[in-house]
Amino acid sequence: GENVEQHPSTLSVQEGDSAVIKCTYSDSASNYFPWYKQELGKGPQLIIDIRSNVGEKKDQRIAVTLNKTAKHFSLHITETQPEDSAVYFCAAPYNNNDMRFGAGTRLTVKP
Amino acid sequence: NAGVTQTPKFRILKIGQSMTLQCTQDMNHNYMYWYRQDPGMGLKLIYYSVGAGITDKGEVPNGYNVSRSTTEDFPLRLELAAPSQTSVYFCASSYSTSGIYEQYFGPGTRLTVT
Repeated sequence: GENVEQHPSTLSVQEGDSAVIKCTYSDSASNYFPWYKQELGKGPQLIIDIRSNVGEKKDQRIAVTLNKTAKHFSLHITETQPEDSAVYFCAAPYNNNDMRFGAGTRLTVKP
Repeated sequence: NAGVTQTPKFRILKIGQSMTLQCTQDMNHNYMYWYRQDPGMGLKLIYYSVGAGITDKGEVPNGYNVSRSTTEDFPLRLELAAPSQTSVYFCASSYSTSGIYEQYFGPGTRLTVT
């Protein structure tokens, strides 16, 4: 089955710096890779996703890159702001109906 | 739209008690999911449903039951609560005709079993 590993578990950056979070997956058939942001006391919210037919996707300050050969994908946040502080989760499909989530990265942006 | 709503927000159960966690979505999504999130961990899928009348097990279904009699509602039942079921439970929904798409999550139910 799908195994998703996420690194690092915690990340602290200075406001304005970039942050990178990496995930690896095991199922080569996986074709959809979302990233979720979870603020304290709330449910996860999708911030960006990528499908396997593209290698990179950008949305303002966030981007996701995918390397299907190496089976890893990364979240990039540029010009970080204090409101980016949250827990971020990557995920990959186990089958068409099931997602497996990474353990999460707690990002702290220091003003 | 309210999106995905969950009740209750918090609950404390004694070992062996039963309860139902409620989940409702008003987006006419066909897919609904129940996850649990243990401290410092990612989400693990308990059960999911691809439409009214259809449910299936996820990664960690033991100790739970679900039903899906309508498109909107997807309750999760704990029959004999155990301390290992202490967790935060999230319901989610998505719309799909094929494959996985964006999931919309509710605010969660924090359950403690003592």
